[in-house]
This record gives sequence, structure tokens and C-alpha cells, in this order.
Amino acid sequence: KAGVTQTPRYLIKTRGQQVTLSCSPISGHRSVSWYQQTPGQGLQFLFEYFSETQRNKGNFPGRFSGRQFSNSRSEMNVSTLELGDSALYLCASSGTVSNTGELFFGEGSRLTVL
Amino acid sequence: KQEVTQIPAALSVPEGENLVLNCSFTDSAIYNLQWFRQDPGKGLTSLLLIQSSQREQTSGRLNASLDKSSGRSTLYIAASQPGDSATYLCASTGGGNKLTFGTGTQLKVEL
Repeated sequence: KAGVTQTPRYLIKTRGQQVTLSCSPISGHRSVSWYQQTPGQGLQFLFEYFSETQRNKGNFPGRFSGRQFSNSRSEMNVSTLELGDSALYLCASSGTVSNTGELFFGEGSRLTVL
Repeated sequence: KQEVTQIPAALSVPEGENLVLNCSFTDSAIYNLQWFRQDPGKGLTSLLLIQSSQREQTSGRLNASLDKSSGRSTLYIAASQPGDSATYLCASTGGGNKLTFGTGTQLKVEL
């Protein structure tokens, strides 16, 4: 059974550009959530999607957005990139509707903003 | 707002030693608590999930306990091996599948 797949694994952008990251959840999982990991702030929740609807949102500016498709694949977009957006972006999927399920993470997309 | 803290931040032990990693959280109204390991530059690997109604979970050499009333969880690693070297993270679940992560414990097991 394939795990959570994130693409691209590495990317370099310059300030002001935008970026789109993709996440394919474990087959059958309908919940996808996104996290940002930085050395200074640790792991922080960005947002969660379930059945194409955003169910939860963290405390990030509107430059960070996401969506989920009917096949449960998800994308997140960051517009007008800032140096501080350099981070490892992790996607997680869960097979349960409730809050009691186990989350499975992908390998992440490492974004460097120059 | 939930805050999760892990102590110690770093730990170095000789191979074969049993060890305990600590995790504390401020809001006891959690749905579950999950332990992960993260290798350098990699994603997170789920180790153990403890539901709020459970007291502990075991997987191989790993045992995790949960005490909601005191806001604490511990991860016990028996007979540590160099391959256990990694950063260990605990995370509590609030509403939805939203995890609040601790700061992590960086473990090094030396030969």
C-alpha cells in the first residue's frame, strides 16, 4: 500500500514568486492536512481538508491557501513568497472522519526562498 | 490554546540503555496523543497512537502512556539501539485532524 506522496521534494524560489505543492494521500484516505516545519517555530498546522472542504485552518496569512480534489489529492499554494516561508512542508492523511484517527505523513517538500 | 512541551530537548545514551521521553500538554481535553519519529531531512513516521480513553500502547520495544488528568505522556524505549537515533515528537489532537506538536527530543544512541 503506497504511502503519502508529496511533490516536488525540493524547490527553490525567489521572493515574490508563488509556489504550488502537491500531496497524494494514502488510497482511501479522505482527510488531508498540511503542516509547516521550521527550526524556529517547529511544526505548525496550516489547514485540513476533508471531502474537498476545508475543515480546519491554522493561524497563517491568506497567502497560504489550499484545495482538495474529488480524488482526495490536495494542493497548497503560497503566493508572494517571503524569506520566512522557507521550510519543510509536510502533508498528512487520515482514514477517519473523527478526531481519533492516526495521521500518516509524507516525506515533505522542502522550499527554499532566496 | 494547547501547548505541548517535551523534555529533555536532547538526550545521548549508550546502546542498550532503557530510556524515557516526556511530553506534557496544557489542555487535557484531547482526543488522542500520537508519537512520531523524524530522521534528518525526512518526514514523520508514526510510532504509537493513544486514544483519550486508553492509558497506554505498546509496539515492540516501544511503550507509550497517557495520563490526561496530569497532562502527561511518556514514551519508553527499551534496549536502545543506534538505529533509534532520531528526533521524537509527540502531538495531541484537538478538533478535526489538527495536531499540536511538541518541540521534540533529539535522541542519540551511541555504540
